[in-house]
Amino acid sequence: TQLLEQSPQFLSIQEGENLTVYCNSSSVFSSLQWYRQEPGEGPVLLVTVVTGGEVKKLKRLTFQFGDARKDSSLHITAAQPGDTGLYLCARSNDYKLSFGAGTTVTVRA
Amino acid sequence: DVKVTQSSRYLVKRTGEKVFLECVQDMDHENMFWYRQDPGLGLRLIYFSYDVKMKEKGDIPEGYSVSREKKERFSLILESASTNQTSMYLCASRRWRNEQYFGPGTRLTVT
Repeated sequence: TQLLEQSPQFLSIQEGENLTVYCNSSSVFSSLQWYRQEPGEGPVLLVTVVTGGEVKKLKRLTFQFGDARKDSSLHITAAQPGDTGLYLCARSNDYKLSFGAGTTVTVRA
Repeated sequence: DVKVTQSSRYLVKRTGEKVFLECVQDMDHENMFWYRQDPGLGLRLIYFSYDVKMKEKGDIPEGYSVSREKKERFSLILESASTNQTSMYLCASRRWRNEQYFGPGTRLTVT
């Protein structure tokens, strides 16, 4: 059973379009991390969000943590082919990270 | 740069073989982890180690064991490989409660 639900599972868009992916849980997160994984590589951390309502920006990527700390979203503005990859959210629990199944994003040139 | 290396990128083994996957990190991290990644299931934690000679079961430890004799090295062992262990295996390390750094993964096929 996935504690973290990510949606959509797949997303294919044209270069220049915007996209949003979601990460939801029925329980409260103490913190949440977003990773991106490119084909043939391991995941790389993009951001950690900790405070309810927090918004963090990383160039064209905007991360939001819900007020109740049960959900998060990642918005990409003017997507580029280099944004293609698997986007994973993960919640931290002391020693462990628990991951969602991920959203596969394909940006077509 | 933090580096986590895994002994093989691709591995093909036969059913019943004993398989060793090695992971080495160069940043003196206390914690190390082994995950498997399957389509639609995300990353699932197999085992983790919070320090040398320490190990804890993750969510799916059955059919696997681990060894951590030195701080920089964490080995995953498949005692008797089965076809349902065909998967991508990812190793990660981190300093306590900080960012996890992942290796490039080992794609294991058991035939």
